[in-house]
Amino acid sequence: KQEVTQIPAALSVPEGENLVLNCSFTDSAIYNLQWFRQDPGKGLTSLLLIQSSQREQTSGRLNASLDKSSGRSTLYIAASQPGDSATYLCAVRPPTLRANAGGTSYGKLTFGQGTILTVHP
Amino acid sequence: EPEVTQTPSHQVTQMGQEVILRCVPISNHLYFYWYRQILGQKVEFLVSFYNNEISEKSEIFDDQFSVERPDGSNFTLKIRSTKLEDSAMYFCASRSPKATGNQPQHFGDGTRLSIL
Repeated sequence: KQEVTQIPAALSVPEGENLVLNCSFTDSAIYNLQWFRQDPGKGLTSLLLIQSSQREQTSGRLNASLDKSSGRSTLYIAASQPGDSATYLCAVRPPTLRANAGGTSYGKLTFGQGTILTVHP
Repeated sequence: EPEVTQTPSHQVTQMGQEVILRCVPISNHLYFYWYRQILGQKVEFLVSFYNNEISEKSEIFDDQFSVERPDGSNFTLKIRSTKLEDSAMYFCASRSPKATGNQPQHFGDGTRLSIL
């Protein structure tokens, strides 16, 4: 059974710092990994999706890396801003053709517990 | 940018009552999902739906739960007889059918379900 763990559970940094959030998963047979942002009381906003064949993906100040064989991903945030304060979640998706009690997985995501990021001015 | 919309944003229901949570996925998406998040816990997968049938479900998704796509736009989650432990935030998500399959899931803002 896939387990996803995120470290640290919470992080508080001053504005302008570069920071790294960590995600690890126990089953390296993944199809892709997605990073999300969740603001309090809100839904999940997709930040980056990194395919199993990729090593990294970038969007603006965000860079996600993936080391599938070791079961790890990192989310790097450059020049952090107070508006980056949120909970960051990683989630992994199994391969599409993996049978599940006779069915096919069409994208079930397994989530980590998240890292609560606070960026103070 | 197209969004997944969920209604209501907050639902309060007496234990034992039926509840229906509604979702309007992004219009050209064909894969639909429900997840839930109990306060302070991880987001958990409930069910995926494709081609008008359930494609995968978790052990949480027992006989009290059902999903339906009653028309071309809505996707609903029904809980037949609610229990206290069903109190959670319920998220709907959808995904594009583009050929690569490596399409992100897009989530709604959730429905907070409170069972009294």
